Amino acid sequence: DAEITQSPRHKITETGRQVTLACHQTWNHNNMFWYRQDLGHGLRLIHYSYGVQDTNKGEVSDGYSVSRSNTEDLPLTLESAASSQTSVYFCASSSSGANVLTFGAGSRLTVL
Amino acid sequence: QKEVEQDPGPLSVPEGAIVSLNCTYSNSAFQYFMWYRQYSRKGPELLMYTYSSGNKEDGRFTAQVDKSSKYISLFIRDSQPSDSATYLCAMVDSNYQLIWGAGTKLIIKP
Repeated sequence: DAEITQSPRHKITETGRQVTLACHQTWNHNNMFWYRQDLGHGLRLIHYSYGVQDTNKGEVSDGYSVSRSNTEDLPLTLESAASSQTSVYFCASSSSGANVLTFGAGSRLTVL
Repeated sequence: QKEVEQDPGPLSVPEGAIVSLNCTYSNSAFQYFMWYRQYSRKGPELLMYTYSSGNKEDGRFTAQVDKSSKYISLFIRDSQPSDSATYLCAMVDSNYQLIWGAGTKLIIKP
């Protein structure tokens, strides 16, 4: 069965360290998205990609970067982790548009 | 003011009750409306998808859109403990981006 896999599921890191969260999908979807979810804020879009070599900033992109070198993967990098980036991160994909999304199980990141 | 407002709850009801979950929005350009369900420590999953005003039914679930009032609802009939989850509404804006509500936590008591 097709799936979307995030790793690691849990990560604890220190302020200032670089962190990369992996996202791998086997749906063959062109569109991939990274969200963060915090209490009281719901889901907020960090970055998204509509295809290989395409990346776009979302509403909360500061401090995050992505790259899309193939259809299956969209890794999210925190260049210098900050405590404000403690959150649950969700990767999602879709075949067309940004509305019918398939989500991964999430990566819980704690920055101390 | 957020573009999409959703009461975070929690909403606690007894098993078998009819549940009503709601979102209001301010942008009249929204055309597509969705409900996602999210179980604890899982990713959201699409539950219902509607385009126009009116009702759409799928089993025990009914999604209702009232564009004139900028109000959408999700009704759950014969609620079950397995319906306990957080329900997120989402809408597509003119740039085809999803705008999310904060989610309502629903608890169905056996």
